[in-house]
Amino acid sequence: AQSVTQLDSQVPVFEEAPVELRCNYSSSVSVYLFWYVQYPNQGLQLLLKYLSGSTLVKGINGFEAEFNKSQTSFHLRKPSVHISDTAEYFCAVSEVGRGSTLGRLYFGRGTQLTVWP
Amino acid sequence: GAVVSQHPSWVICKSGTSVKIECRSLDFQATTMFWYRQFPKQSLMLMATSNEGSKATYEQGVEKDKFLINHASLTLSTLTVTSAHPEDSSFYICSARSGTGGMSGELFFGEGSRLTVL
Repeated sequence: AQSVTQLDSQVPVFEEAPVELRCNYSSSVSVYLFWYVQYPNQGLQLLLKYLSGSTLVKGINGFEAEFNKSQTSFHLRKPSVHISDTAEYFCAVSEVGRGSTLGRLYFGRGTQLTVWP
Repeated sequence: GAVVSQHPSWVICKSGTSVKIECRSLDFQATTMFWYRQFPKQSLMLMATSNEGSKATYEQGVEKDKFLINHASLTLSTLTVTSAHPEDSSFYICSARSGTGGMSGELFFGEGSRLTVL
């Protein structure tokens, strides 16, 4: 079974400051890793994903994440945040090669990022 | 990217009535669709997985008779909340995976449907 832990439920930062949102996972098989962003009363938008290859993944809106297999982590970072980055961020994992259930995502509880002016 | 549309985005109903939520993939064929439920300030809970033309697979603890899922075509899946009660009030989100896409597990999400049962 998969589990995803987002260690921080809320992260407040000032505009133009760097931010890191933490995500750890546990799995008995190989996984794909994702970060999604959710604005109020909206669905989820994919920020970035790790499938294979380079462990540093760059996504939209200036976000990046690094996959660390030994620490089973996939932390999300942005060097300088904007007020418009205020949203809920979800880390998710999907098992590699699970046939008909491929695409089934296991989500963390989310981290509310609030950027203050 | 691919577009998944949900309708209605907001619905208010009386207790005891049934509500249908539609999830459509607008520019691709979705062989698999997923229905999630999200409580306020919480994560998404997978309710069921539906494959076109077959019965949905429900997660443990989800009442299949209460949450009816139909995936009749490659572009449409519906979730019907039968005999809704206030505790069914929630944000329901669907997602779809392209049948011709890579095996990456990437999903495209709908905008969500907020159900309020009075």
